[in-house]
Amino acid sequence: DGGITQSPKYLFRKEGQNVTLSCEQNLNHDAMYWYRQDPGQGLRLIYYSQIVNDFQKGDIAEGYSVSREKKESFPLTVTSAQKNPTAFYLCASSMEWGPYYNEQFFGPGTRLTVL
Amino acid sequence: AQKVTQAQTEISVVEKEDVTLDCVYETRDTTYYLFWYKQPPSGELVFLIRRNSFDEQNEISGRYSWNFQKSTSSFNFTITASQVVDSAVYFCALSEARDQAGTALIFGKGTTLSVSS
Repeated sequence: DGGITQSPKYLFRKEGQNVTLSCEQNLNHDAMYWYRQDPGQGLRLIYYSQIVNDFQKGDIAEGYSVSREKKESFPLTVTSAQKNPTAFYLCASSMEWGPYYNEQFFGPGTRLTVL
Repeated sequence: AQKVTQAQTEISVVEKEDVTLDCVYETRDTTYYLFWYKQPPSGELVFLIRRNSFDEQNEISGRYSWNFQKSTSSFNFTITASQVVDSAVYFCALSEARDQAGTALIFGKGTTLSVSS
């Protein structure tokens, strides 16, 4: 079955530690995205990648880093510089990075809690 | 600036009631897309509909219908004869131009719908 997988589902981290969230897709999509969701809030864009080996900062990129070495993978690292990392993180992909049209497919999410 | 407003934070209905979720957007683009997504308790967002700015026809899909009105910048979503399985958070989103040829989605804060039996 085609889709997006994220792991782990739940993640606990001590303050000051970096942690990496995994996102894999087998939809053969060019574009991938990371969003952050806080309670009662919509999704906010952290980073996006139009194509392999290229990525851009979204609206709230501070304290996060990404890589896109393979088409199917777009891992997100939450660094110790992120002041309030406890949130629900969603990965998404779309067929292409085209003008206006942007139907995105989402993974099941990772819930990160900083202890 | 582009913005999506979902003024209803929470709505509670009893099964079989009809319910409308409101979405108002702001954009300077003449061409844009609007979306609705459903987020059930499992957390994964499920795509429901995409509508482009040139198509103002209302759309119906089973118990779901959408009313797009450019004059009022609204894209409202109605569920007819609601069911318990409709309980979820619903997000309205607007495509926003980024870079020279790309877009990103701007999401509203969502409306939590609770349907009781």
